[in-house]
Amino acid sequence: NAGVTQTPKFQVLKTGQSMTLQCAQDMNHEYMSWYRQDPGMGLRLIHYSVGAGITDQGEVPNGYNVSRSTTEDFPLRLLSAAPSQTSVYFCASSWQSLNSPLHFGNGTRLTVT
Amino acid sequence: KNEVEQSPQNLTAQEGEFITINCSYSVGISALHWLQQHPGGGIVSLFMLSSGKKKHGRLIATINIQEKHSSLHITASHPRDSAVYICAVVGRAQKLVFGQGTRLTINP
Repeated sequence: NAGVTQTPKFQVLKTGQSMTLQCAQDMNHEYMSWYRQDPGMGLRLIHYSVGAGITDQGEVPNGYNVSRSTTEDFPLRLLSAAPSQTSVYFCASSWQSLNSPLHFGNGTRLTVT
Repeated sequence: KNEVEQSPQNLTAQEGEFITINCSYSVGISALHWLQQHPGGGIVSLFMLSSGKKKHGRLIATINIQEKHSSLHITASHPRDSAVYICAVVGRAQKLVFGQGTRLTINP
């Protein structure tokens, strides 16, 4: 039982490049979500999903895409990286809704130059 | 004004002291989470509350839904408790709204 697995741990991109941050969980959780954490701004919701095939936007969705084709996986795509997307990204899951304990991945530190 | 306010923002205490971190929110919620983040580390869930009080080891969390307030207490604090503690509320449409965090430092 690995919990929530995020890859990669570190990534450096040039402006305009694209990439996908991977998030997988093996707990059969319905709810999955992506957050970014910036100094002075705290954690902010990017996108979330309440089940396979269902996604919705959070507080800061611009520049990011998500899909949820399976219960286990919830990848976050940066279509054209910008320096403003330099941040630490966390994926989290919970059983059926946010009224259940949260499980976080270890984070991805992304730098866009 | 933020929807979720934590106080204090920074707290330094001596080992063994009783610690209280407060969280106030201004929106209707269905649940509240307390999270812990060690420096450079990941985020760990401590508690999920929808009413009353929960205890786990030296940690106690309480919530008063009517007053829109929650507290996290640490008894017999230890240097390993040094971390950032984050309050997050479950608002409408199953979205988490976070407080800014409280940086706790426990000196030996």
